[in-house]
Amino acid sequence: GEDVEQSLFLSVREGDSSVINCTYTDSSSTYLYWYKQEPGAGLQLLTYIFSNMDMKQDQRLTVLLNKKDKHLSLRIADTQTGDSAIYFCAESIGYNKLIFGAGTRLAVHP
Amino acid sequence: SQTIHQWPATLVQPVGSPLSLECTVEGTSNPNLYWYRQAAGRGLQLLFYSIGIDQISSEVPQNLSASRPQDRQFILSSKKLLLSDSGFYLCAWSVRAGGFTGELFFGEGSRLTVL
Repeated sequence: GEDVEQSLFLSVREGDSSVINCTYTDSSSTYLYWYKQEPGAGLQLLTYIFSNMDMKQDQRLTVLLNKKDKHLSLRIADTQTGDSAIYFCAESIGYNKLIFGAGTRLAVHP
Repeated sequence: SQTIHQWPATLVQPVGSPLSLECTVEGTSNPNLYWYRQAAGRGLQLLFYSIGIDQISSEVPQNLSASRPQDRQFILSSKKLLLSDSGFYLCAWSVRAGGFTGELFFGEGSRLTVL
């Protein structure tokens, strides 16, 4: 069935890099996504990658996709306190649905 | 520009009482509409999605129902709430299939506590 898994918690020191990992099951997913949720708010799209790409870079964000292993990662360089949030991995199913993982809570400490 | 409104923001209801959460989208036509639930310590679970008026797909068997009486209005309901219905409910919209890129635009959420 459809399933997206990710670790639940990550703690990093300010200025270090953060790497959040995700595995998914549907090999036919066209796009894979990272969403960010600030405390008490809805989710916002952070970045996405097309399934025929291996890597996408957007300023401090780097997305890596290993389609063979169905593994997606998000790297945040020079992590700041403002990056503290919950990060959700998601895969597209068909033309209308997104299936989300449980979310990884990123805590950034001085 | 497009906006999505969701209300009420916070709700405390007794077990067995009814529920109605409302969501409206402005500034777009024919959107896909979604209801997700985020339970404490758990991920984001897709409850319902709709590609048009009165076209609603239920993803998970449960105590809830959804309706779409107008193109940009999506309602989540229950006749009798259970304790397990507690959670953070998020409404979202997206461009309809054909233009769908997977970008969902979320409302601010409704926190439901069932006592």
